[in-house]
Amino acid sequence: GENVGLHLPTLSVQEGDNSIINCAYSNSASDYFIWYKQESGKGPQFIIDIRSNMDKRQGQRVTVLLNKTVKHLSLQIAATQPGDSAVYFCAENNNAGNMLTFGGGTRLMVKP
Amino acid sequence: NAGVMQNPRHLVRRRGQEARLRCSPMKGHSHVYWYRQLPEEGLKFMVYLQKENIIDESGMPKERFSAEFPKEGPSILRIQQVVRGDSAAYFCASSPFRSSRLDHNEQFFGPGTRLTVL
Repeated sequence: GENVGLHLPTLSVQEGDNSIINCAYSNSASDYFIWYKQESGKGPQFIIDIRSNMDKRQGQRVTVLLNKTVKHLSLQIAATQPGDSAVYFCAENNNAGNMLTFGGGTRLMVKP
Repeated sequence: NAGVMQNPRHLVRRRGQEARLRCSPMKGHSHVYWYRQLPEEGLKFMVYLQKENIIDESGMPKERFSAEFPKEGPSILRIQQVVRGDSAAYFCASSPFRSSRLDHNEQFFGPGTRLTVL
């Protein structure tokens, strides 16, 4: 079936550098996307969302880009900090239901 | 405001026993979702409930698993006759209203219950 997936399972960056985490989705009916951060032993924490009528949305130190042509979603984290180390999931939601469909996750490791 | 609460945080059961996982949504939220997460994997949707109603249980196994969200009290995910393959983290999320095409709403997650079946 259609699902959400990620390109890179692990990303290692230097503290202070920018991080880019990518996600590919295949469900063309998806109209809402969310990025979650999950630290070890904790539940997913909302970071930022974007609707399909937008191609970019910015938050505090984070930017989400949506390319509907190639069905690609990315999360950019500026000036990455040690506290950003976690697993990041993209998730989709569409008007066919209220469930979130999660990708497999990318582990971000920040080197001091 | 207290967030989504789940208990127990850790649960150990032997094969064949029953597991009961509880979830108290955020104050004012009447929509509850249960997800399951295996190690190093993303969360998989199981069931979506409103007060006293199961709205979507398409992700829940047909046998041994059941869920409820009574008028009073927490939502309960019940797993009967547990097997080793049931070992996972079970997360509950809540939202204040139902998503629609025009108005998607954020799901707030609890800390999860980690079930280990011996």
